Amino acid sequence: AQKITQTQPGMFVQEKEAVTLDCTYDTSDQSYGLFWYKQPSSGEMIFLIYQGSYDEQNATEGRYSLNFQKARKSANLVISASQLGDSAMYFCAMRRPTGNQFYFGTGTSLTVIP
Amino acid sequence: DVKVTQSSRYLVKRTGEKVFLECVQDMDHENMFWYRQDPGLGLRLIYFSYDVKMKEKGDIPEGYSVSREKKERFSLILESASTNQTSMYLCASSLWGQGAEKLFFGSGTQLSVL
Repeated sequence: AQKITQTQPGMFVQEKEAVTLDCTYDTSDQSYGLFWYKQPSSGEMIFLIYQGSYDEQNATEGRYSLNFQKARKSANLVISASQLGDSAMYFCAMRRPTGNQFYFGTGTSLTVIP
Repeated sequence: DVKVTQSSRYLVKRTGEKVFLECVQDMDHENMFWYRQDPGLGLRLIYFSYDVKMKEKGDIPEGYSVSREKKERFSLILESASTNQTSMYLCASSLWGQGAEKLFFGSGTQLSVL
């Protein structure tokens, strides 16, 4: 079975500081996709960033970047210059190539402190 | 604006009742998914479908069934609701692909089984 591990149930960060949310994955597939989603208290799931397993460059989207280390099977999310609105649950997910299933980690609750 | 619509935001049912959760997407997506979200457990895949009348079991299909008679609609059925099925249920859809095709989520249904 595919497995996504997020080892940080809760994190705190000072406003304007950077923070790294950890994600490791376990798969025997060669081709896969890695995604990060944000879930604020309103409950909506917001797509943040995508990394393909064959992408050589780390993905970036504005203040979000993905630190992809394929050999270590890790896909950590880095949020730069944290804002109060970044307080939310963050989920790491992996998409398998066959069947296109998406598997999620248990999430990290991020709190940004003023 | 693209949309995944879940029919109910909150639902209260009795033990033993048959429960239908409906999900409709307007994006002509091939893939549709049902997840349940519980604190500390993240999102767990119940069932998914990659085509009309096709369905595949996810990680926790026991006690659930699904129906996909039309491409845009994916229904989750609890044949005989039990208290341990009290949870947030999230429907999602995506295009079929190997690239950055991401999941689009509905706003969720909070189901309480009494």
